Amino acid sequence: QKEVEQNSGPLSVPEGAIASLNCTYSDRGSQSFFWYRQYSGKSPELIMFIYSNGDKEDGRFTAQLNKASQYVSLLIRDSQPSDSATYLCAVNTGGGADGLTFGKGTHLIIQP
Amino acid sequence: DAGVIQSPRHEVTEMGQEVTLRCKPISGHDYLFWYRQTMMRGLELLIYFNNNVPIDDSGMPEDRFSAKMPNASFSTLKIQPSEPRDSAVYFCASSVAGGRADTQYFGPGTRLTVL
Repeated sequence: QKEVEQNSGPLSVPEGAIASLNCTYSDRGSQSFFWYRQYSGKSPELIMFIYSNGDKEDGRFTAQLNKASQYVSLLIRDSQPSDSATYLCAVNTGGGADGLTFGKGTHLIIQP
Repeated sequence: DAGVIQSPRHEVTEMGQEVTLRCKPISGHDYLFWYRQTMMRGLELLIYFNNNVPIDDSGMPEDRFSAKMPNASFSTLKIQPSEPRDSAVYFCASSVAGGRADTQYFGPGTRLTVL
């Protein structure tokens, strides 16, 4: 059974600092990895995806993937209060548009 | 372009009643997904379609749940009969096949409460 594990938090980070969110997955066949952000009462929205080992940067966000350790992380630099949300890690094992297996999310709080 | 459209946004019903949730995917998208989100279980995939054909329904919890996609612009998720444990937020998402990491766009969700 596919499992995606995240620390539920809350993770409290001061404004301007780096927020580090972590995720582990059980299925070694997983090929693509996603980070979604979900504000309270809203739907998930995609922040980043990654499918190769290493780092991928997009603005203030960096996704890191280590397939040998079955570990994915998301770094948020220069954290802003607007980054306060629940961050969902998701994986799929297919090469394309399979349904995603989500972790339960980490609640991030950026303290002004 | 309009995003994924779901209706109703909120539904309150009594145990035993039939509930129908509706979804209109983004035009041109060929994949459609139904998810359910609860505090206890998080966001779970129920079923997904490709070109209107169900591909994987292994996440559908029971025979009380059924989903259809009669055409490329409309899908329904039906619960009959509904039970209190079905209370959750139901999301529809759509995507277009084009690579290894196809972005799924989520609708606003339907918050279902079964009394």
